[in-house]
Amino acid sequence: KQEVTQIPAALSVPEGENLVLNCSFTDSAIYNLQWFRQDPGKGLTSLLLIQSSQREQTSGRLNASLDKSSGRSTLYIAASQPGDSATYLCAAQRNQFYFGTGTSLTVIP
Amino acid sequence: DAGVTQSPTHLIKTRGQHVTLRCSPISGHKSVSWYQQVLGQGPQFIFQYYEKEERGRGNFPDRFSARQFPNYSSELNVNALLLGDSALYLCASSLATGANYGYTFGSGTRLTVV
Repeated sequence: KQEVTQIPAALSVPEGENLVLNCSFTDSAIYNLQWFRQDPGKGLTSLLLIQSSQREQTSGRLNASLDKSSGRSTLYIAASQPGDSATYLCAAQRNQFYFGTGTSLTVIP
Repeated sequence: DAGVTQSPTHLIKTRGQHVTLRCSPISGHKSVSWYQQVLGQGPQFIFQYYEKEERGRGNFPDRFSARQFPNYSSELNVNALLLGDSALYLCASSLATGANYGYTFGSGTRLTVV
């Protein structure tokens, strides 16, 4: 059974810092790896999707990488802003999504 | 274009009652999936439907059931509610199932069981 782990569980940084969120998964037989953002009490907003044949994806200040063989993905956020404060979830997709428990990010002005 | 629409947004039920949650997928999307997110946890897969047929089922008791209608909307039903069923229920839609199709999530239904 696929298990997804996210480290750290919580992170607090001053505005402007670059930061890295980590995600690991136990079964490398995935279709895609996707990063989501979740604001308190809200649904999921897709940030980046990396197909299994890809190594990374970029969108604005966000960059996600995938090393399928080692079962790892990272989400890099450049020049963090208070508006980036949210919970970030990674999900390994086969026929369904397997989610981690998330990293709660607080960016301090 | 409208995104994935879920209704109601919030509801409160009493233990032992029954609840029906509804999801309307993005126009043209034929697959709908349901997830349960308990506070502080990541979402857990409940069901996936494609073309009105069940294509996947997670590790949930038989109290949970779902169906997909000819217009591709979907209902999730939960019988004999327990306190532990309190959660955010998320619906996701996609054009089809498989690797090449992205999924869009709705804003969820917050269910509180008292």
